[in-house]
Amino acid sequence: QKEVEQNSGPLSVPEGAIASLNCTYSDRGSQSFFWYRQYSGKSPELIMSIYSNGDKEDGRFTAQLNKASQYVSLLIRDSQPSDSATYLCAVNGPGRLYFGRGTQLTVWP
Amino acid sequence: EADIYQTPRYLVIGTGKKITLECSQTMGHDKMYWYQQDPGMELHLIHYSYGVNSTEKGDLSSESTVSRIRTEHFPLTLESARPSHTSQYLCASSEFGTYNSPLHFGNGTRLTVT
Repeated sequence: QKEVEQNSGPLSVPEGAIASLNCTYSDRGSQSFFWYRQYSGKSPELIMSIYSNGDKEDGRFTAQLNKASQYVSLLIRDSQPSDSATYLCAVNGPGRLYFGRGTQLTVWP
Repeated sequence: EADIYQTPRYLVIGTGKKITLECSQTMGHDKMYWYQQDPGMELHLIHYSYGVNSTEKGDLSSESTVSRIRTEHFPLTLESARPSHTSQYLCASSEFGTYNSPLHFGNGTRLTVT
């Protein structure tokens, strides 16, 4: 079983819509959760981190964490074509971060 | 914010050559990592280090080696490059370890072995 699973993509939404990206993890001891955005041919960049149950908002991005369900999500409101990228979920585990395979998001005008 | 630098950005080299990919960070981070990523594919951890003189192999079997003689420097070496080594190599660092501390990535080195 992979440590971090992301919903299979690709995900395609129209401009202005809400994009919802989901991630589940297997290690109940995990305490730190991150979302990275990776544009094609570029390196991942950190966009959100969350450590406590509930929601964390930063601009158009909202991260949601439910440790009981071992579930973390990222909502992107008012999606823009510039949000088109692959989104990586990362969860801390024994000594390192574990990454999901990523969900490719396309926002069409 | 971490500053982490990788050189070269692009490298095209012939089979059998020895190459070293450089990675340096200026924030004094203890932990450093090397990932390999093919286009459109997932990240694979190939090496990591918790500090000077500490190195560990990651998940993906790799013919590369690493060294950590100085905190800020974590080079990756391929003794004899092969076409199967063609990929993007990403270096990353973190401050306290991974709990509460995200990874900061360099811009990557895109390696092509002909």
